[in-house]
Amino acid sequence: NAGVTQTPKFQVLKTGQSMTLQCAQDMNHNSMYWYRQDPGMGLRLIYYSASEGTTDKGEVPNGYNVSRLNKREFSLRLESAAPSQTSVYFCASSAQGAQSGNTIYFGEGSWLTVV
Amino acid sequence: RKEVEQDPGPFNVPEGATVAFNCTYSNSASQSFFWYRQDCRKEPKLLMSVYSSGNEDGRFTAQLNRASQYISLLIRDSKLSDSATYLCVVNGDQAGTALIFGKGTTLSVSS
Repeated sequence: NAGVTQTPKFQVLKTGQSMTLQCAQDMNHNSMYWYRQDPGMGLRLIYYSASEGTTDKGEVPNGYNVSRLNKREFSLRLESAAPSQTSVYFCASSAQGAQSGNTIYFGEGSWLTVV
Repeated sequence: RKEVEQDPGPFNVPEGATVAFNCTYSNSASQSFFWYRQDCRKEPKLLMSVYSSGNEDGRFTAQLNRASQYISLLIRDSKLSDSATYLCVVNGDQAGTALIFGKGTTLSVSS
């Protein structure tokens, strides 16, 4: 019953460091997403992948890159971390894209602090 | 105008109360509507989908008004365990675009 698994759960980075958040789903879903959640801002879409082999920018893509490694895995990379990227990051997946009305399932979140 | 707007609350109600949350969305082409629930420091989880005819799941009733671009969630007989943040969610304006989340309405139910 793993669902969506993301790692690490907590991470502290220094400004300028790079890191990759890993995400994997075991539900055979086509679509995967990365959101960030900040106090007072709600959940904002960073990048999404409608299907294996495709990725698209969301609302706040600057400073991030993604890789849809295969159908199961969708990673998020911070090339040069900045304090403004301090946030909670959620990976999510759904069977098809949002237009289809499919339920979206979230991982437990990754708490990232950039100092 | 923001894509999905909700009253942030907090709504503080006693057990047994009925409480209603409202949400407006800006994209008239949106086709999918949901309410998600998020507990403190946890991930959002689907509470219920919202259908054009309205739908009910136990103590929860969701309504959609496409003409007014308005969604509502009614919780009857509130329980302490209903305390959470409720997120109004609609799909974006491009086919296949991920869901757009409102900032959420916080509910606190007290005994």
